[in-house]
Amino acid sequence: ETGVTQTPRHLVMGMTNKKSLKCEQHLGHNAMYWYKQSAKKPLELMFVYNFKEQTENNSVPSRFSPECPNSSHLFLHLHTLQPEDSALYLCASSQDLAKDRGPNTGELFFGEGSRLTVL
Amino acid sequence: AQKVTQAQTEISVVEKEDVTLDCVYETRDTTYYLFWYKQPPSGELVFLIRRNSFDEQNEISGRYSWNFQKSTSSFNFTITASQVVDSAVYFCALSKGSARQLTFGSGTQLTVLP
Repeated sequence: ETGVTQTPRHLVMGMTNKKSLKCEQHLGHNAMYWYKQSAKKPLELMFVYNFKEQTENNSVPSRFSPECPNSSHLFLHLHTLQPEDSALYLCASSQDLAKDRGPNTGELFFGEGSRLTVL
Repeated sequence: AQKVTQAQTEISVVEKEDVTLDCVYETRDTTYYLFWYKQPPSGELVFLIRRNSFDEQNEISGRYSWNFQKSTSSFNFTITASQVVDSAVYFCALSKGSARQLTFGSGTQLTVLP
């Protein structure tokens, strides 16, 4: 059983819908991530939360809105998406050091992803 | 800027054959970390190995082995005596010191035929 669980596994939505993706990690990690995986493209980092604070936002359109209420849960709120947003959305976690304590190598632990189709 | 290139988009082999997945990287950092992840059909990426830039020793773990060569900026992955369960997409990744700075390659789809 994976330490990172994502729901729903599959989601189909229209362009005017509002939906949310949920991620929960059971590993005691303090950093969580959203990645987008489109066909034949490298994984794209979307957002990073470290100790519940957003530390990265890689020029993601505002129709994607992350929320991290605590270090174990991460949401991705979706609103007025476009068909090109159809992709596999992967959540990940890592044990990352505090920002002021320098880097670490922290490998990522991934969930199984939420397959999103926008009609 | 960091870049990871996996030139092989798809590879098919017959069970029990050996197969090597290529990974070439670009970075200006002197300290960096290289990773391989496996993505089976279930979707989650599974961590396989991490290697830091100061350790060029090759590593073997069961049927898996990794060849790190700084001179050619390559970090290749070999599966010996492949099995059908090895069928997956394999990603090479590069980080300059933090998981939040990982750069992934585009992946190699490996299919092992029975």
